[in-house]
Order: sequence, then structure tokens, then C-alpha cells
Amino acid sequence: KAGVTQTPRYLIKTRGQQVTLSCSPISGHRSVSWYQQTPGQGLQFLFEYFSETQRNKGNFPGRFSGRQFSNSRSEMNVSTLELGDSALYLCASSGSGTSVFNEQFFGPGTRLTVL
Amino acid sequence: AQSVAQPEDQVNVAEGNPLTVKCTYSVSGNPYLFWYVQYPNRGLQFLLKYITGDNLVKGSYGFEAEFNKSQTSFHLKKPSALVSDSALYFCALVRHQTGANNLFFGTGTRLTVIP
Repeated sequence: KAGVTQTPRYLIKTRGQQVTLSCSPISGHRSVSWYQQTPGQGLQFLFEYFSETQRNKGNFPGRFSGRQFSNSRSEMNVSTLELGDSALYLCASSGSGTSVFNEQFFGPGTRLTVL
Repeated sequence: AQSVAQPEDQVNVAEGNPLTVKCTYSVSGNPYLFWYVQYPNRGLQFLLKYITGDNLVKGSYGFEAEFNKSQTSFHLKKPSALVSDSALYFCALVRHQTGANNLFFGTGTRLTVIP
């Protein structure tokens, strides 16, 4: 089985722009979660989608949004980029209905740099 | 507040020696605890989890963790360290919030196994 894939792997944007990141979960997995990893704040939960519905949301501003498609692929969007949004964005998929209680499979991440 | 703490940013151990990576938790109710490992330029990989049951949990790659309720700890252990175990280790806790649960990660401990 192919693992979780994320595209693009690296991205450079400037302040004020917007960006869309993509995640393809493991085949058959219906839950997709997104995390932000920075040296200062560590790993922080952004949101989780299950069957095209946002099920959980972390403590991030409304500039961060996401969606999930019927094939379970997910996209994450950040509008009006700020320098502090520079981070590694990780996507994780889970095969069970309640991902937080079970093993999550992480992709390699998208490294976003905001200049 | 529901959280986990990893008191050591860095742990060094000689190859062949036992290793311990420490984690303490704070939670109201029953804790659901995880260990994940992150190798350079890669996403996180699940090692093991404690939901209920035996206090000694066995996981991937020869790792195990001991759940200690009285000390509110969930330390990761391995009897004999390998150089390939060098990585960043994260302890995580399911944080229960009204209407949602999410995974809260510790700040990480960088393990270096010295040949």
C-alpha cells in the first residue's frame, strides 16, 4: 500500500499570498488530520476531516481552512500568509472512525517558507 | 490543563546501552497516550499507545513504554540502543474538549545514540 503523500514538498511564498497544500491518504483511510510543526511551537493540531466533514479543529485563526473530497483526499488552505506561518505542515491519515485514539500514518510534510 | 511534558530536550546514550525517554502527563479522566518518532526529513511514525490494560506497552522496533498512574508518567524504553534509533521522539496525549478530541504533542526529545 502506498503511504500518505503530500504535495508539494517545498513551497516558498511571500507575505499576503495564499497557499493550498494537498494530501492523499492511504487507500481506504477516511480520516485526515493536519498538523503544523515549528521549532518554537512544536507540533500543533490544525483540524481533522472525516467523510468530507470537519470533525475537530485546533486553535488556529480562520485564515487556516481545509476540505476533504469524496475520495478522501484533503486540501489545506492558508490565506493572507504571515511570516509566522513558515512551518512544516504534516498530514496524517487513519483507517478508523476516531483517528485520535488510533495509529495515525503521517506523510513527509510540506515545508512552507513565507518571505 | 490537559498536556504532556518531555523534560529533556536531548538524550545521549551509548550504543548497546538501555535508553529511556521521559514523558509526564496531566489529564482529567483516563489518559490516552502515544509515542511517535520522527526521522530526519520524514513524517512521524507511530511507535506505541496506551489506552487501557497492561501498564507495560510493547511497540515497534523493540520499544516499550511503562505507564505509571501514581507518577503520571509514560516513559519510553528500549533495552539496547541502536545507532539507527537516533531521531526525534514525541509523546502525545488525546486531549478531550467539548465536542472534539485532538492529539496534543510534547515538545520532543532528540535521542542520539553514540557508536
